[in-house]
Amino acid sequence: SAVISQKPSRDICQRGTSLTIQCQVDSQVTMMFWYRQQPGQSLTLIATANQGSEATYESGFVIDKFPISRPNLTFSTLTVSNMSPEDSSIYLCSLKTSLSGNTIYFGEGSWLTVV
Amino acid sequence: DQQVKQNSPSLSVQEGRISILNCDYTNSMFDYFLWYKKYPAEGPTFLISISSIKDKNEDGRFTVFLNKSAKHLSLHIVPSQPGDSAVYFCAASARAGGTSYGKLTFGQGTILTVHP
Repeated sequence: SAVISQKPSRDICQRGTSLTIQCQVDSQVTMMFWYRQQPGQSLTLIATANQGSEATYESGFVIDKFPISRPNLTFSTLTVSNMSPEDSSIYLCSLKTSLSGNTIYFGEGSWLTVV
Repeated sequence: DQQVKQNSPSLSVQEGRISILNCDYTNSMFDYFLWYKKYPAEGPTFLISISSIKDKNEDGRFTVFLNKSAKHLSLHIVPSQPGDSAVYFCAASARAGGTSYGKLTFGQGTILTVHP
C-alpha cells in the first residue's frame, strides 16, 4: 500500500486560531479523503479531496470551516478554521489507489487539542 | 441513524483462543465491508475486507464472514495473541454516492483485550 505521511502528528491549538494539516503520499493515488474522529466517537468522512478542483463535502461539513486543497495527485491539506474545543479530534488523511481496489488506507492521523 | 453497529463495546479473550467480533448494518446498499484495527491517537490499520458477492474471506489468522440476509458480518481471529489487543472497527461502503467506495460508514468499535 502507499505510504501516507501526515504533519503535524499532534498539536495543541488556541481557541479561535486555524491550523493546516498536510498529507503527503509516496505514490499517485486515485482518490484522497479526510476523516475525523472526535473523542469517544467513530470515524466520520469530512470530504473528498479532488485534484485541481473544490473538495466535495459531506453533510454537516462546510468549506469555510474545513478548507481543503489538493494541488496534485500526491498532496493534500486540510485546514481547521476558527477552532473551538469541539474541534478537538484526530484528523485522518486516507486514500484509494489503483491497486487497492475498494480498500481505503489511512495515515497515522493528526491529533489536535483545542484549548 | 446508525447504519453500522458494533453492539459489543468490549471483548476479553484468553491468548490462543478465538476472538469473534460482530457487526450489523442496516443499509442494503452497502456491498463492501472492511475491518480495521486501531490504537489510541493513531490511524486505523486495514485488516481484511469482503465483497458482498462472497460470504467468507480469509487472511492468515483473520477470517471475515458475511451473512447478507441477516445484514451481519463477523471477524474471527484465531489464535488470538496479546498483540491483537486494540480497538476494532467495522466499516461499510457502497459504489453509490459519487465517492465510489470512498465513503466509509464506521461502527462504534469494539475494544479487544487478549490476556496472556
